Amino acid sequence: EDQVTQSPEALRLQEGESSSLNCSYTVSGLRGLFWYRQDPGKGPEFLFTLYSAGEEKEKERLKATLTKKESFLHITAPKPEDSATYLCAVFRGNTGKLIFGQGTTLQVKP
Amino acid sequence: GAGVSQSPSNKVTEKGKDVELRCDPISGHTALYWYRQRLGQGLEFLIYFQGNSAPDKSGLPSDRFSAERTGESVSTLTIQRTQQEDSAVYLCASSSGSVANEQFFGPGTRLTVL
Repeated sequence: EDQVTQSPEALRLQEGESSSLNCSYTVSGLRGLFWYRQDPGKGPEFLFTLYSAGEEKEKERLKATLTKKESFLHITAPKPEDSATYLCAVFRGNTGKLIFGQGTTLQVKP
Repeated sequence: GAGVSQSPSNKVTEKGKDVELRCDPISGHTALYWYRQRLGQGLEFLIYFQGNSAPDKSGLPSDRFSAERTGESVSTLTIQRTQQEDSAVYLCASSSGSVANEQFFGPGTRLTVL
């Protein structure tokens, strides 16, 4: 059965303290992996798509990487405005159906 | 340009009543998706539309749930005889062209069944 697991469930950082969020998956025929950010009371906001192992993408303080079994979202020198829930999702097949992990809630304190 | 919009933003209903949730996708997006997010949980896929056909309905939890889409525009998710376990945020997303393209989400409809 397809499964996506994110860790940790919650992460508290001081401003400037770099860290990584993990997304491990068991999916047959993976076609791609998405990272989203979700703020309270809002819909998920797209961050990155990764398609193949070894691929990396960066946006401001965020960098996403992908291996055959997991993806990491690295946050460098985070700021309080980076506080949010970060969601990982994988897709396969031909329908674009996304299988989401439970998310990691990040809190960055000034 | 305008993003995905959903209405109503909040809906409170009594157990046993029917509800309709509406989604307006980004103009020109051929693919449309419905997801459900229960409190403190990840998103669960419900249904996928390509144009006005639904090739994947595998996530609909029961026959009380149905959805339709008019052309490549508005979609409506209907829940009949609502139950308390239907309480959740219902999110709609749309994307263009290939299924590999990113999905853009609306703000969701928060459904509370009393």
